[in-house]
Amino acid sequence: GAVVSQHPSRVICKSGTSVKIECRSLDFQATTMFWYRQFPKQSLMLMATSNEGSKATYEQGVEKDKFLINHASLTLSTLTVTSAHPEDSSFYICRPGQGSEAFFGQGTRLTVV
Amino acid sequence: SQQGEEDPQALSIQEGENATMNCSYKTSINNLQWYRQNSGRGLVHLILIRSNEREKHSGRLRVTLDTSKKSSSLLITASRAADTASYFCATGPAGGTSYGKLTFGQGTILTVHP
Repeated sequence: GAVVSQHPSRVICKSGTSVKIECRSLDFQATTMFWYRQFPKQSLMLMATSNEGSKATYEQGVEKDKFLINHASLTLSTLTVTSAHPEDSSFYICRPGQGSEAFFGQGTRLTVV
Repeated sequence: SQQGEEDPQALSIQEGENATMNCSYKTSINNLQWYRQNSGRGLVHLILIRSNEREKHSGRLRVTLDTSKKSSSLLITASRAADTASYFCATGPAGGTSYGKLTFGQGTILTVHP
């Protein structure tokens, strides 16, 4: 079974609302979590790196106040898209910094209408 | 910013043929990994090659790495319709680990016709 569980797999929300995406490591402790975003027909771009117990590090051009990351435990990291807009519609996927190169979350397809 | 380019952007072949995809990158790396992504879904890890390796095999997959040219290739032999997917290379920076931050290439869309 999956060792990295990401939920939800799909979400449709109204413009202006917030959406929380969870990424759990099931059989190991993840002190680091990488969050990627993929627009349609494009590649994956690293958005931010979360570290358990400390502030996340955001890549250039990613608004930290819009994409809130919380990594409060060794098994859970969350990404909250605040005040979502249609241009935030994308595929969001997490990857732990420990465990295995093969470990990725299943991804979350966000559609903002 | 994207680390590298993948070539070709799209590849269409017949079942049974071989498919070769190339990846170039810009900075020094610790490792290079190849992933497959079926339409709209998550990533499947295919193979990892470290910076001190030149070639690796896994089943029908063969990966080469030329650090002097900062390039890698993925060969899929005897392709099947089920190989239809997008393929991405991803590099881990020098000094990092294979679990660390990855920078993805643009990807190659492979279509294998039955």
